Amino acid sequence: GESVGLHLPTLSVQEGDNSIINCAYSNSASDYFIWYKQESGKGPQFIIDIRSNMDKRQGQRVTVLLNKTVKHLSLQIAATQPGDSAVYFCAENINNAGNMLTFGGGTRLMVKP
Amino acid sequence: NAGVMQNPRHLVRRRGQEARLRCSPMKGHSHVYWYRQLPEEGLKFMVYLQKENIIDESGMPKERFSAEFPKEGPSILRIQQVVRGDSAAYFCASCRRVGNQPQHFGDGTRLSIL
Repeated sequence: GESVGLHLPTLSVQEGDNSIINCAYSNSASDYFIWYKQESGKGPQFIIDIRSNMDKRQGQRVTVLLNKTVKHLSLQIAATQPGDSAVYFCAENINNAGNMLTFGGGTRLMVKP
Repeated sequence: NAGVMQNPRHLVRRRGQEARLRCSPMKGHSHVYWYRQLPEEGLKFMVYLQKENIIDESGMPKERFSAEFPKEGPSILRIQQVVRGDSAAYFCASCRRVGNQPQHFGDGTRLSIL
C-alpha cells in the first residue's frame, strides 16, 4: 500500500560542494526521464531530461546519469548554491503511453551557506 | 511567453460544495495533464486531455471528479461534493506534443476543505 505522511529524505550540503540526488524508477519500459525542482508554494520546474538511449546528459551545472540495468537515475549539481535548495523529483514516462509522468517520492536538498 | 497559468491559487470550500480549478496551457500547447500532490509526496497523475477530448482518465476517481478542455478557454478540473480527503495541491501541466517532451507545470491550486 501507499505510505502517507512520511517525511521526505533530506540531503544537506555545504554551499559550493557538489550534490548527488538519487532516484530508483519502477518501470523497465520507461524510456524518458525528467528531473524537476520544486520550491515551496510553486509548481515543478524542469531541470534536465534524458532518453533511454543515453546514459549521461549534461546541462548547466547539472548532470543526469541513467543506469538502466539497475533502474537508477541520479542528478548531480555542481557547486551547489543556496538557490538550489528545494525538493527534487525524478519522473519517468513510457513513450507510447500518452506521455503521462510517474513521479518518484522526492528528495529535499538543503544548502548551508 | 506566459507559462502555464492556474487559478485560483488557493481555494477554500466546505464539505459538499463544488470546486472548479482552471488551467490555461502554454501558448501552442494542446496537451494538458492534471496531477494531484499531497504534502511531502510526489505528484500523482489524474487525467490527460487534448482539445475537446479526454485521452486518459485512469488516475481520476470515477465519482465526483470530472475534467474538460474545451475548444475555447481553459481546461477545468471539477470536483463535486468535496470531502476533507480532497484537500491537496492540484497541478496542471502542458506540452506541445507527446513523445519524449518535458511537461511544463503551473504553480497549482491549493484546495482546502473545511
